[in-house]
Amino acid sequence: GENVEQHPSTLSVQEGDSAVIKCTYSDSASNYFPWYKQELGKGPQLIIDIRSNVGEKKDQRIAVTLNKTAKHFSLHITETQPEDSAVYFCAAKGAGSYQLTFGKGTKLSVIP
Amino acid sequence: SAVISQKPSRDICQRGTSLTIQCQVDSQVTMMFWYRQQPGQSLTLIATANQGSEATYESGFVIDKFPISRPNLTFSTLTVSNMSPEDSSIYLCSVGTENYGYTFGSGTRLTVV
Repeated sequence: GENVEQHPSTLSVQEGDSAVIKCTYSDSASNYFPWYKQELGKGPQLIIDIRSNVGEKKDQRIAVTLNKTAKHFSLHITETQPEDSAVYFCAAKGAGSYQLTFGKGTKLSVIP
Repeated sequence: SAVISQKPSRDICQRGTSLTIQCQVDSQVTMMFWYRQQPGQSLTLIATANQGSEATYESGFVIDKFPISRPNLTFSTLTVSNMSPEDSSIYLCSVGTENYGYTFGSGTRLTVV
């Protein structure tokens, strides 16, 4: 089955700096890659996603890049703000499957 | 995207008892899932709730421990049976749609004492 590795497990950045979180996946047939933000005491919230026919997607301060050859995808957050502090999870969905496989999460702390 | 209402939001239960968690969606969805998130950990899929048929369980999860109902395309329940402290976790309902990806409920925080 699919295996998703996520790095780093913790990340601290100064407010205004950029943050990058990286994930690798094992199933070359995977075709959907969402990113979730989970704040304390809340359920995961979808913040951006990308499909395998696209290399990059951007939504304001958030962007995701996908390298199918290397089987990795990354979340980029620019101009970080304290409210970006949360745990971020990447996930992958295999072709022909309806299930998401999640990475272990990255705890992002933005220091004012 | 679909809006999910999950109840209860939290509960403290005695060991040996059972708790049923409800998941209500504001639109009809084909795909509905139940996840467990142990403290400080990632999300683990328990099962896929199938409308009108038995749920499909992942390795390590069995129907006797986690019975699931899916009477229609907008509602599902997950029961955690014969609870022990190891069942203390966040339980999450999720739905998947073709256009809007996968949405999660706010979760049920279960503590077993």
